[in-house]
Amino acid sequence: EPEVTQTPSHQVTQMGQEVILRCVPISNHLYFYWYRQILGQKVEFLVSFYNNEISEKSEIFDDQFSVERPDGSNFTLKIRSTKLEDSAMYFCASSRLGGTEAFFGQGTRLTVV
Amino acid sequence: GQSLEQPSEVTAVEGAIVQINCTYQTSGFYGLSWYQQHDGGAPTFLSYNALDGLEETGRFSSFLSRSDSYGYLLLQELQMKDSASYFCAPIHNFNKFYFGSGTKLNVKP
Repeated sequence: EPEVTQTPSHQVTQMGQEVILRCVPISNHLYFYWYRQILGQKVEFLVSFYNNEISEKSEIFDDQFSVERPDGSNFTLKIRSTKLEDSAMYFCASSRLGGTEAFFGQGTRLTVV
Repeated sequence: GQSLEQPSEVTAVEGAIVQINCTYQTSGFYGLSWYQQHDGGAPTFLSYNALDGLEETGRFSSFLSRSDSYGYLLLQELQMKDSASYFCAPIHNFNKFYFGSGTKLNVKP
C-alpha cells in the first residue's frame, strides 16, 4: 500500500542551525502539506503546496520556513535558523486533487537544543 | 477565520458507547473528516461526511449537520485499543484540512 515516508525520524539540532526535513509523498498525489504538533497539543497547519507553488500558508509559516519540491518525488521543509520553540513533531501529508483524505507520514521529531 | 470546538478529554469503559462532538466555523466548507492518532503516531483517516446524516463504518459512525455546523463521531463497543486522540477536520477551500485540538479518549477496563 502506498505511504508517505519522512526522514529522518528524529533530528536534534542546535539553536540557530538550519534543518531540512524530507518527505516522499504518495506518487499520484498532487497536494502536499506540512503540519506541526507540539507535544500533547493540536496538529497545526503550516503550508500546502500544489502545482509547484505554495497554495496556502499559516501565520506560523514565516520567513524562517520554506518548502521545495526539488525533484519529482521529494518534498522538503527547511527551517533556516531554528529556535527552541520549533521543537515539535513535523508531519508531512499528501492528498489527491479534490481528495477528502490526507495521508500522513510517521513524522520527524525535531528537537532544538 | 477558522474555529473548532471539541471536548479535550473523554473517559469511558470497555464495551460502552461514546460520542465525540465537534462544532466548527470555517469558510468554503466542503465536508467534515475524522482522524485517529495514537500516542507517538501519525493521524490516520477514519471517516468523511460530505452530506448531512450518519455514515457508518463498522464500530465507528460519523454524523454531520451542515446547517448547525456540527458533527460527531460515535464509537461503539469500545475496546482498549480505541484509546487515542480523535480530531475532527473540516475540509475547506479545496484540499485544505484544518485540525482542531483533538479529544483524548481514555478507555478503561
